[in-house]
Amino acid sequence: ELKVEQNPLFLSMQEGKNYTIYCNYSTTSDRLYWYRQDPGKSLESLFVLLSNGAVKQEGRLMASLDTKARLSTLHITAAVHDLSATYFCAVGPQGGSEKLVFGKGTKLTVNP
Amino acid sequence: NAGVTQTPKFRILKIGQSMTLQCAQDMNHNYMYWYRQDPGMGLKLIYYSVGAGITDKGEVPNGYNVSRSTTEDFPLRLELAAPSQTSVYFCASSLLTGASGNTIYFGEGSWLTVV
Repeated sequence: ELKVEQNPLFLSMQEGKNYTIYCNYSTTSDRLYWYRQDPGKSLESLFVLLSNGAVKQEGRLMASLDTKARLSTLHITAAVHDLSATYFCAVGPQGGSEKLVFGKGTKLTVNP
Repeated sequence: NAGVTQTPKFRILKIGQSMTLQCAQDMNHNYMYWYRQDPGMGLKLIYYSVGAGITDKGEVPNGYNVSRSTTEDFPLRLELAAPSQTSVYFCASSLLTGASGNTIYFGEGSWLTVV
């Protein structure tokens, strides 16, 4: 059974600082997603990672995937207040299953 | 620019009542999904559909039913509502299989409380 663990679950950081959110998963996967969710809102797709070593960047966010370690990271560079949100990773079991498994989310608060 | 539209946005149900959450997408997507999100948790897949007339169970299907008579619509039916079904429900869609890494688009969510 695929399990997805994110850490930390809560992250409070100062503007301008760097930090990394980790997403570990328990079985072989063929794709990994990162989503952002603002309070009371829907999920916004940030990145889709499909292969070992994949790295994608958008603004101050960079996501990477290490399939051998079953680990994805979401790195935040020089955080700004607008990045405050909850970030989820979601993993697709290998074999093309539609049944994505989500982590519990990391609630990020960026303080001025 | 509608995307995935869910109705209602908020609903309070009494235990034992039934209701249908509506979901429509205007992107001609084949794949549609229903997820629930409990407080402080990630999303869990209830049901999904790979095309009109085809549905399959997700991780937590008990207490729910779905149908997909058209490409655009994917309603979720709650029969005999229970307090455990208090949650936020998200409908989502994808052009092709999520297995290929296609972006999955989510609706705004439906907040359901069962009392």
